[in-house]
Amino acid sequence: SAVISQKPSRDICQRGTSLTIQCQVDSQVTMMFWYRQQPGQSLTLIATANQGSEATYESGFVIDKFPISRPNLTFSTLTVSNMSPEDSSIYLCSVERGPENIQYFGAGTRLSVL
Amino acid sequence: GENVEQHPSTLSVQEGDSAVIKCTYSDSASNYFPWYKQELGKGPQLIIDIRSNVGEKKDQRIAVTLNKTAKHFSLHITETQPEDSAVYFCAASMITSYGKLTFGQGTILTVHP
Repeated sequence: SAVISQKPSRDICQRGTSLTIQCQVDSQVTMMFWYRQQPGQSLTLIATANQGSEATYESGFVIDKFPISRPNLTFSTLTVSNMSPEDSSIYLCSVERGPENIQYFGAGTRLSVL
Repeated sequence: GENVEQHPSTLSVQEGDSAVIKCTYSDSASNYFPWYKQELGKGPQLIIDIRSNVGEKKDQRIAVTLNKTAKHFSLHITETQPEDSAVYFCAASMITSYGKLTFGQGTILTVHP
């Protein structure tokens, strides 16, 4: 398995501001992923983050809104920029690990935008 | 792209009964199908997965079946317990797609004591 720590665990923010979410893994991984889970909904992949290269964004998500950093093999950040109430969601970090490439998730960051 | 449909959206059972959740997928190239359990306030946890070279897999009270021809797979939980109450998500991906999981809509399972 993998130990994944996300900070903050929750936050309440004002519209127009930005929040940076941190994800720390207990050992080196090649690929880290960021998902969004809107209230009562399923998980949607925002982007894939590889160390040393720009993140790859899924359709409907753009770098200006969700900039991602991946400075090393155990850490990544996701910033939610210029927030609006529609950005209120759970943001989840995940990593792929092991010979079977199983994906493990952090506990998530619960974001409310007023 | 891949589309995963999951049913039912809610499922209520009595303790000791069985629960079955079904998913269908659209992309015949998908070959990896994990199931995740998400408890309140927590991230999803993998409970079982199956790959396309296998038709069924069991782990104690949990089993998953896969029908590649029909493009559907199911989660079976036997002898349910109150602690099985959670949201369950199915997902699909191609193993070579570097972790790009497409999730179903989720099933809220409630097990009544």
